[in-house]
Formats: sequence, C-alpha cells, structure tokens
Amino acid sequence: QQPVQSPQAVILREGEDAVINCSSSKALYSVHWYRQKHGEAPVFLMILLKGGEQKGHDKISASFNEKKQQSSLYLTASQLSYSGTYFCGTEWKGAQKLVFGQGTRLTINP
Amino acid sequence: KAGVTQTPRYLIKTRGQQVTLSCSPISGHRSVSWYQQTPGQGLQFLFEYFSETQRNKGNFPGRFSGRQFSNSRSEMNVSTLELGDSALYLCASSLAEGTQYFGPGTRLTVL
Repeated sequence: QQPVQSPQAVILREGEDAVINCSSSKALYSVHWYRQKHGEAPVFLMILLKGGEQKGHDKISASFNEKKQQSSLYLTASQLSYSGTYFCGTEWKGAQKLVFGQGTRLTINP
Repeated sequence: KAGVTQTPRYLIKTRGQQVTLSCSPISGHRSVSWYQQTPGQGLQFLFEYFSETQRNKGNFPGRFSGRQFSNSRSEMNVSTLELGDSALYLCASSLAEGTQYFGPGTRLTVL
C-alpha cells in the first residue's frame, strides 16, 4: 500500500513555511524523505526511525508520529532552492524495501 | 566516492523489442534497487538485489527481470516492450538497508 502524501502540490513565496505530510495505513519502521528536482535523481534528505524522533538540518526538519503512522516534513523560511518534488519512502518492519508516496510538488516563487 | 551510475542515459526502442539497462552502485554498496518513475504513477518499486540474490520484488509483470553480478553491478531487462513501459528507470544503492542513493536514471522511450 502506497503511503499518501498531502498536499499534492503547494506554491509558496520565498520565506514562507511549508508542511508536507506522509501517512501510512501500515505500521511503519522508518520513513525516508527525498527531494527531486526536475530532470534530476531524487536526493536523500533524512531518515526517521520508529520511535517518534525528530530530525533536521538547516531549515528542513521532519517528525515521525508512530501512533498516527505519519511523518511530516517541515520547511521553514523556504528558499528558491527548495523547489522540487518531495517524496516520502516508507519501510515496514521486515519488508526491506521502500514504498514511495506519489510526491508533493513544491514551487517557491521570489 | 563516485555516485551511482546508470547507462545508457537515454534510450529509444520500438514496441516488441527488448532492452537492458545497467547500474553501477556506490563502491561498497551491496544492495541495488530498481524503480520505474512515470508522471502518473510516481516511483514504483521493481525489485531489489542484495549479494546477487533478488531479495524483494514489486508488482510488475514477468517481462521485467534483473540480475546482480558479483561486483554488485546490476542489470535490468525488459522484454517485449510496450508503449506503457516508457518511463524513467532509476536505480538506487545502499549498504544493506536504509538510506538509498539514486543514480541519474535511464530515460526509456518506446515508440
């Protein structure tokens, strides 16, 4: 079962904040976040393991809510370079494979 | 460290033909996963190889197959190509499990 990402697309102005959600119907073991710019390969952002931890670097952070089986990616004070499609990849215990959401297209305008 | 490389980068084939795509993982990575990316379906998991063995398989027809060599390089083969096989094929490597690093992809167009 593919995880569900929301919203599907969002348009922001530079400096605004964004939240992207990733929900799973199955118990999650880990959640991986990637960003893909047009014509390029997905680039790893961060991984969150079961345990409700929160991670971040620079102005991008993420949380993992084990009870809700949901992860959220937070982009604060967005920059033009944040534009792209964000994918969450979910891993279920023992599955040893990632199942990706359909992606969230983020557009940052000056 | 060199990243994941994929060859060829672009490919044009006609229906009914077959195609072989190649992926060289990051040095030391033993797991290689393949994905199909299309605008409508997003990133769809094809299969994963670890130490020359297929460890996981997605929901794709048997026309899609793969293999991994002792040096961890992997190939993916698609036989009897259909128009719907047009897509970006991405491979990703990882140590064993966890973080995956993607290659630039092979853009396959089937005419």
